[in-house]
Amino acid sequence: DVQLVESGGGLVQPGGSLRLSCAASGFTFSGHWMHWFRQAPGEGLVWVSRIDKSGTTRNYADSVKGRFTISRDNAKNTLYLQMSSLRAEDTAYYYCARDYYYNQADQWGQGTLVTVSS
Amino acid sequence: QSALTQPRSVSGSPGQSVTISCTGTSRDIGTYNYISWYQQHPGRAPKLMISDVSKRPSGVPDRFSGSKSGNTASLTISGLQAEDEADYYCCSCSGSYPFVLFGGGTKLTVL
Repeated sequence: DVQLVESGGGLVQPGGSLRLSCAASGFTFSGHWMHWFRQAPGEGLVWVSRIDKSGTTRNYADSVKGRFTISRDNAKNTLYLQMSSLRAEDTAYYYCARDYYYNQADQWGQGTLVTVSS
Repeated sequence: QSALTQPRSVSGSPGQSVTISCTGTSRDIGTYNYISWYQQHPGRAPKLMISDVSKRPSGVPDRFSGSKSGNTASLTISGLQAEDEADYYCCSCSGSYPFVLFGGGTKLTVL
């Protein structure tokens, strides 16, 4: 079975940094683009970032560009999201997801909560 | 304000059918057929229910169907069941930025 398990969330002060991880199993990780999405508590889904199969091409939402960095380690079947200069509005559940076709995500992790607060 | 417009809520009785609309523009839904729908139960991760406008992933009941006309996509759930009560999000995807646009979500209540 396909599994995506996020970790690394927690409470961080404004301006701080955090690195999220997403451990993938049950499929050929290196054969898929991957995404990060987020959802503020009680709010809707928002796309954050995506990365191609090799890690060469990376794209970001304008709201996180220059502050977040997506990466992957295909040898470890793991996706990462390095977040810096965090703001209160970055508070959300962060989900990693597998790309099915043209940025449609067919498998999602259970999410990890990031809270930015002093 | 979300890029795609969905009704905030819809409701129906068990056995009935409901349709959730998702309105965009000619730059997103009107152009691309990479329209997907996600179901999300409280406290759970989103689940893909429909991709490519009308394709059902393996394991999704055929009570769920998708369609598109012009700048509006629709999700229809027939034979409503209690477990269908959830939030539903439409998504318009493309190969160019912003790559993924979501609707604001629709809360389905099964009466």
